[in-house]
Amino acid sequence: GAVVSQHPSWVICKSGTSVKIECRSLDFQATTMFWYRQFPKQSLMLMATSNEGSKATYEQGVEKDKFLINHASLTLSTLTVTSAHPEDSSFYICSARDLGTRAGSYTDTQYFGPGTRLTVL
Amino acid sequence: QKEVEQDPGPLSVPEGAIVSLNCTYSNSAFQYFMWYRQYSRKGPELLMYTYSSGNKEDGRFTAQVDKSSKYISLFIRDSQPSDSATYLCAMTSYQKVTFGIGTKLQVIP
Repeated sequence: GAVVSQHPSWVICKSGTSVKIECRSLDFQATTMFWYRQFPKQSLMLMATSNEGSKATYEQGVEKDKFLINHASLTLSTLTVTSAHPEDSSFYICSARDLGTRAGSYTDTQYFGPGTRLTVL
Repeated sequence: QKEVEQDPGPLSVPEGAIVSLNCTYSNSAFQYFMWYRQYSRKGPELLMYTYSSGNKEDGRFTAQVDKSSKYISLFIRDSQPSDSATYLCAMTSYQKVTFGIGTKLQVIP
């Protein structure tokens, strides 16, 4: 299956600092990537949809000035948590949309990265 | 009513049992149906991907889609302790993907 990488896998930072998380699709081009957060024992919560070359679309309740998303190329999207606070501590997961033809069949699915665990002290 | 309904479980089964996981949905625009497996503290892993109604088999896994009933299932044969994880169904319409809440499965040795 397709591979999506995420870096770093975990990060610990002080309150007030900014943290950047990278998401890369390694073997396909993704015009659309998604950013999720997941709290312990809860389901995925979509934060924003990242479209290559245009502004991200944020879900209701997600502060766009706090969670900066950049999708500069077809294989890379970044999420920057600005002025992080302890309540931002969570598991952040990206996914990349694979839209096109794979192995001779039309496909429209998402492949997830391994996630980034952010702890803000 | 949620667009996608999935029983969160937990579901406990003995090793070797056949596991049946299900989701129902209300949006007839959903076209693509996926099942993901998520281990604790890991990103979801795509298990199965289907488009049309019917069955799709891959090893011990069978995905079933019934568009007329708006019902999808994932069957796991000869379940193993390593299958213990949370299983999420997901559905796509246009650019939007909607996930179920996930069913936590525990396979007991």
